[in-house]
Amino acid sequence: GDSVTQMEGPVTLSEEAFLTINCTYTATGYPSLFWYVQYPGEGLQLLLKATKADDKGSNKGFEATYRKETTSFHLEKGSVQVSDSAVYFCARKINDYKLSFGAGTTVTVRA
Amino acid sequence: DTAVSQTPKYLVTQMGNDKSIKCEQNLGHDTMYWYKQDSKKFLKIMFSYNNKELIINETVPNRFSPKSPDKAHLNLHINSLELGDSAVYFCASSQSVGIELFFGEGSRLTVL
Repeated sequence: GDSVTQMEGPVTLSEEAFLTINCTYTATGYPSLFWYVQYPGEGLQLLLKATKADDKGSNKGFEATYRKETTSFHLEKGSVQVSDSAVYFCARKINDYKLSFGAGTTVTVRA
Repeated sequence: DTAVSQTPKYLVTQMGNDKSIKCEQNLGHDTMYWYKQDSKKFLKIMFSYNNKELIINETVPNRFSPKSPDKAHLNLHINSLELGDSAVYFCASSQSVGIELFFGEGSRLTVL
């Protein structure tokens, strides 16, 4: 069936380290893809998105490229900060009313 | 102004009780949702309403009854609470095309 698989956490990094969180999807066709972030004690918020193959989404120093060849949408940031500590969710659009979320990856950045 | 607000933020109750969580959005969106997040952060959709009509019901026990009095509100009532209902419940809204979800801050339900 249609699903999203993302890298298991938790991930612990030092400040200014490079972050990658892997995400792959299964689907027929090319669904819109998203990364959501959940900061401690808050709801999820959209971090970035890509609506078609080869699109690159970017926001707050994070980037992800929609790669149809590898059915992937990996999240990257070149230099993380303590304030990037959060849970990151990859998601794909199922239809106009439904997203399928990955299991979430907890990232902790140490000073 | 909070875009999606839900109350209460914390709820502690005994097994067997009935409780409600309220949600309101001021974004003018036509679709609202309830999600359940378990202790491992796994997020599962429960219900979705579009223009006050139920469009998604993800095999949630019928102890859970959503109610949408208007497009801006979606409340969740839970009867006969069980230990396994303990979770964080998130309300969200979207303008359906493009499906960017806006989440509330969550309501943490603890059933003792």
